[in-house]
Amino acid sequence: NAGVMQNPRHLVRRRGQEARLRCSPMKGHSHVYWYRQLPEEGLKFMVYLQKENIIDESGMPKERFSAEFPKEGPSILRIQQVVRGDSAAYFCASSPQEALTDYTFGSGTRLTVV
Amino acid sequence: KNEVEQSPQNLTAQEGEFITINCSYSVGISALHWLQQHPGGGIVSLFMLSSGKKKHGRLIATINIQEKHSSLHITASHPRDSAVYICAVGQLYGGSQGNLIFGKGTKLSVKP
Repeated sequence: NAGVMQNPRHLVRRRGQEARLRCSPMKGHSHVYWYRQLPEEGLKFMVYLQKENIIDESGMPKERFSAEFPKEGPSILRIQQVVRGDSAAYFCASSPQEALTDYTFGSGTRLTVV
Repeated sequence: KNEVEQSPQNLTAQEGEFITINCSYSVGISALHWLQQHPGGGIVSLFMLSSGKKKHGRLIATINIQEKHSSLHITASHPRDSAVYICAVGQLYGGSQGNLIFGKGTKLSVKP
């Protein structure tokens, strides 16, 4: 079992470009969560998805950020027109069901905007 | 005031020492999580608890719901325990299961 796979591990984008972060949950996990860790700050919840559904996006910035978890393929966190303030580590986690049992994190994607 | 407060912020210990990290929270919770973030950045979920005590190897986590307080203990600490330990809570009212509120973390360094 490969665990939660995130790619890329490191991503550099110029201001104004788009960033696409991918997360493949553990086998058998149908719930995906995205978190952001700004430099020198704690983790913050962004969005919770199940297959083809956004369950809770209350932590997502209102503009430029979107997330999906299609029926086939990984979950994608998309940031359009990136700005320097988007530079952060983005973590994905997954669980097989509600109640966050067997809650497993990926290694994160470190986004740097130059 | 943050909804989840951890203490201490930084902790240095000698190998073999017993370590305690504290977490206090101010909201009603459905569960409390302890996470470990390694120097390389990866995050591991250590415990999820809503009452009592859990033990895994040299790690023990306790929670007192009435006092809104949890502790993470490490017995016989080892340099490989050096990491940032993060407390996070799921809110009882408002927010979905993954919508956790995180503490700022306790950075532990265990010296050989």
